[in-house]
Amino acid sequence: AQSVTQLDSQVPVFEEAPVELRCNYSSSVSVYLFWYVQYPNQGLQLLLKYLSGSTLVESINGFEAEFKKSETSFHLTKPSAHMSDAAEYFCAVSVKQGAQKLVFGQGTRLTINP
Amino acid sequence: GAVVSQHPSRVICKSGTSVKIECRSLDFQATTMFWYRQFPKQSLMLMATSNEGSKATYEQGVEKDKFLINHASLTLSTLTVTSAHPEDSSFYICSATATGREQFFGPGTRLTVL
Repeated sequence: AQSVTQLDSQVPVFEEAPVELRCNYSSSVSVYLFWYVQYPNQGLQLLLKYLSGSTLVESINGFEAEFKKSETSFHLTKPSAHMSDAAEYFCAVSVKQGAQKLVFGQGTRLTINP
Repeated sequence: GAVVSQHPSRVICKSGTSVKIECRSLDFQATTMFWYRQFPKQSLMLMATSNEGSKATYEQGVEKDKFLINHASLTLSTLTVTSAHPEDSSFYICSATATGREQFFGPGTRLTVL
């Protein structure tokens, strides 16, 4: 079975400061990795994903994540935070074969201070 | 990306009544739909996996007689919470996928049982 651990339940940063949201996973088979963002009372929006190929993946709004297999990590980073980045972020994994069920981490609430 | 809708977005009902939530894939045919439940400030927990034309597969601990899932077409799945109780109050989110594609999430339905 797969599991995902998001090490921080809350991450406060100042506006324009760098952001790092940590994600570690556990799996005995190869996985796909995802980061989702959730704004209050809304569903999930896909931020970025790693399926194969380059281990560094980027989103359109400046976030990026690097898949490090040796560390079983997929940390999300952004060099400069904006107020609009404040939200809940979920890391998730799915196995490469089968029903592609997603297993989510506990979530990290990113707050941006002016 | 593909669009998934949910209806209603918010519902309040009395204890003992049943509530139906619809999940629709608007611009693609979804061979598989997933239903999740999210408690306040918590992560998403998968309830069941629904394949078009077949019975849903429920996760361990989810009562299939209480949470009835129907996936009658490639664009519609429904979740019916039968004999709802206050402890069923939650945010219910669906997602839809097709073979080889990622999951696309609906905006969620907030259920409040009085």
